[in-house]
Amino acid sequence: DTAVSQTPKYLVTQMGNDKSIKCEQNLGHDTMYWYKQDSKKFLKIMFSYNNKELIINETVPNRFSPKSPDKAHLNLHINSLELGDSAVYFCASSPRIEMPPRWGKLFFGSGTQLSVL
Amino acid sequence: GEDVEQSLFLSVREGDSSVINCTYTDSSSTYLYWYKQEPGAGLQLLTYIFSNMDMKQDQRLTVLLNKKDKHLSLRIADTQTGDSAIYFCAESEGNTDKLIFGTGTRLQVFP
Repeated sequence: DTAVSQTPKYLVTQMGNDKSIKCEQNLGHDTMYWYKQDSKKFLKIMFSYNNKELIINETVPNRFSPKSPDKAHLNLHINSLELGDSAVYFCASSPRIEMPPRWGKLFFGSGTQLSVL
Repeated sequence: GEDVEQSLFLSVREGDSSVINCTYTDSSSTYLYWYKQEPGAGLQLLTYIFSNMDMKQDQRLTVLLNKKDKHLSLRIADTQTGDSAIYFCAESEGNTDKLIFGTGTRLQVFP
């Protein structure tokens, strides 16, 4: 079974539409993330949730709204899609580790390639 | 803000060693990481090093850390075609769970 799964893998849509990307992890991890990777492969964190609570909220337009119904799921909803939103979006999770390194061991999903036309 | 820089491309012949370099800015990072991204896939953690160490070896991988110069490198011995991927170094911002990734180095291994 896939540890961190995202759906859909590909998403092609028109400007102005609203879309959602779903993410689920079956690793029992406490923390989940959304990262955006642009066409130059630059990877930047968008959000982080710890046990359903928002921890990190980077400078992301408020058209992007994460939702965590439980600690195994972190969905990303995007309103009024723009051309510049085209990218690959990665969901990731990490365990709560008491031994060092406490952070940094991320498990990534395989990504959702979003194309806005 | 934090900035993690890497060279964009590296091309090596199969069987040679590859060295991928990274410079970072946050001196408070306790751990530094190397991730690998194969085509069409998410990133996978390869290895990490504690900032008090100079070197860490893990099979074909050797990580070197020069904390004074804030320079990190990943050496892959006996590089194989299956090593072709994008390699990202990363630091954790102020020892939080926010990872700052480098710009990525695309490694191409040719026969």
